[in-house]
Amino acid sequence: AQTVTQSQPEMSVQEAETVTLSCTYDTSESDYYLFWYKQPPSRQMILVIRQEAYKQQNATENRFSVNFQKAAKSFSLKISDSQLGDAAMYFCAYRDRDDKIIFGKGTRLHILP
Amino acid sequence: NAGVTQTPKFQVLKTGQSMTLQCAQDMNHEYMSWYRQDPGMGLRLIHYSVGAGITDQGEVPNGYNVSRSTTEDFPLRLLSAAPSQTSVYFCASSYQGGRNEKLFFGSGTQLSVL
Repeated sequence: AQTVTQSQPEMSVQEAETVTLSCTYDTSESDYYLFWYKQPPSRQMILVIRQEAYKQQNATENRFSVNFQKAAKSFSLKISDSQLGDAAMYFCAYRDRDDKIIFGKGTRLHILP
Repeated sequence: NAGVTQTPKFQVLKTGQSMTLQCAQDMNHEYMSWYRQDPGMGLRLIHYSVGAGITDQGEVPNGYNVSRSTTEDFPLRLLSAAPSQTSVYFCASSYQGGRNEKLFFGSGTQLSVL
């Protein structure tokens, strides 16, 4: 069974600095999709960024980018120019060919003013 | 647009009681799923469905039943509630056009089993 591991339960970053959240996954498949979701205190789940495994180019969305290393099964999220509104829980997710979507345990990100 | 609607928002049950958590979406999404969120455990997949009449088990299906008789609705049934089922439950849906489609989440149901 696929698993998603987020090894950093909590992280802190100074406002305007850059932070990287790590995510690794275990799979025997070659075709899958990866996602980062953000959950602020409102409990709403918000898609941050997504990556198709067949694409070598790393996805970017404004201040958010990923470092996708398929061979290493790693999918880290980089947040540049951190803002107070970035404070949230961040979840890495994996979608397999059977459409099962598995989430990691999350990383709580604190932004220090 | 209503999006994904979950009812109730809060529920307290006694051990052994049964109940159904409702989930409805008005976006004509084929894909629907149920997750539970517990502190330190992230979101764990309970059951999911890729279309009406089709359901499949997730990571933690025991103690929960689902059915998908319509595209719009995906209820989650607890047949005999246990304290271990105390959690926040999220329903999510997505368009099934491609597997890179994002999930749309409901606002959650806070369930306490005493």
